[in-house]
Amino acid sequence: DAGVIQSPRHEVTEMGQEVTLRCKPISGHDYLFWYRQTMMRGLELLIYFNNNVPIDDSGMPEDRFSAKMPNASFSTLKIQPSEPRDSAVYFCASSPRGQGNQPQHFGDGTRLSIL
Amino acid sequence: AQKITQTQPGMFVQEKEAVTLDCTYDTSDPSYGLFWYKQPSSGEMIFLIYQGSYDQQNATEGRYSLNFQKARKSANLVISASQLGDSAMYFCAMKEGGSNYKLTFGKGTLLTVNP
Repeated sequence: DAGVIQSPRHEVTEMGQEVTLRCKPISGHDYLFWYRQTMMRGLELLIYFNNNVPIDDSGMPEDRFSAKMPNASFSTLKIQPSEPRDSAVYFCASSPRGQGNQPQHFGDGTRLSIL
Repeated sequence: AQKITQTQPGMFVQEKEAVTLDCTYDTSDPSYGLFWYKQPSSGEMIFLIYQGSYDQQNATEGRYSLNFQKARKSANLVISASQLGDSAMYFCAMKEGGSNYKLTFGKGTLLTVNP
């Protein structure tokens, strides 16, 4: 079975440019999560969706960040304009509805470098 | 206050020996779940094991087991018969509440298995 698919795997761009990260969750999973991982702050939840609806975006750092989930099989995380401090690994994860014991399945991540 | 504390930034273990990675948590919610993830140097996040707050027995998955001490609020991961491939970062994470799907991660422990 296909896991969570993220693209691109690596992105290098200049400050001020728009960055779009993409995620395809595991088919049938109701929940989708976006995380950011840095050395300083560790793994942080940015936003999560349930059935394509954003449930909690309290982790989104600022208005430059936005996330959408237009359908059950696709989500994007956009940064506009990008800044060097946005450099990090961004993970997408999905999980099925359950009793709470369902683990989140992570994609391989997008390593983002803003120059 | 940190919700998940992993006090060991790095650990070393000889191949074939057992190792315990510490995790303490802080919550006032009687319903919660604890997860352990492995992150090898290649970067992906791999789910290892889950323990629910109401589970009567310690969770086990192959060579992984969880030493769950509820009164002490600790959920230590035990890896038996360590292998070179176990060298990785290990993260403890907690989900609070029955209907909450957010995970809070600890800072992680870097395990190195020596031949």
